[in-house]
Amino acid sequence: EPEVTQTPSHQVTQMGQEVILRCVPISNHLYFYWYRQILGQKVEFLVSFYNNEISEKSEIFDDQFSVERPDGSNFTLKIRSTKLEDSAMYFCASSERRGASTDTQYFGPGTRLTVL
Amino acid sequence: AQTVTQSQPEMSVQEAETVTLSCTYDTSESDYYLFWYKQPPSRQMILVIRQEAYKQQNATENRFSVNFQKAAKSFSLKISDSQLGDAAMYFCAYETGGSEKLVFGKGTKLTVNP
Repeated sequence: EPEVTQTPSHQVTQMGQEVILRCVPISNHLYFYWYRQILGQKVEFLVSFYNNEISEKSEIFDDQFSVERPDGSNFTLKIRSTKLEDSAMYFCASSERRGASTDTQYFGPGTRLTVL
Repeated sequence: AQTVTQSQPEMSVQEAETVTLSCTYDTSESDYYLFWYKQPPSRQMILVIRQEAYKQQNATENRFSVNFQKAAKSFSLKISDSQLGDAAMYFCAYETGGSEKLVFGKGTKLTVNP
């Protein structure tokens, strides 16, 4: 069965550094999402992306964050200048149609980001 | 703002027994959807079951069923004939119709004892 994959599984970075988290969504999916989970807290929505544009974003997704689909397969989340509070598990998800109400969102295994 | 609350951080059940995981939510919307996701250790989150708010009938998927009480804003998950493979973190989630944003609860860690 097709799966969403994410690389790396664990990323350690210094505060102030830029990081790029990578995701390969399921190949025929058109909608892409990023969520994060700070340790001990809820999984939180960051952003959704369709047709090369952000379609919805949360208040967490400020100017330090950006998303991109640089080619036909990858979907990336960039954090421009990492802060300690960016340490979290970041989950990518994809779906064929818009929103979990119309279609299942398939999640990747996550990238654990540790900011020192 | 919509919120989802899972009041049981951990639950345990004996193999072959039945367990119910609780979830409550808060919303002023009339068009919304509710979900239970399962995350086994070191594995992806996968959808277990979904419920459309406009449907009165409780959703069922094999051994998994929900008790959807719309007026009480309650959405519990019942797992019958629990199996060792059911051990996982279970997340309750909500989405407003037309939105793309899932709102999650904190999760319930389910242990299945042999």
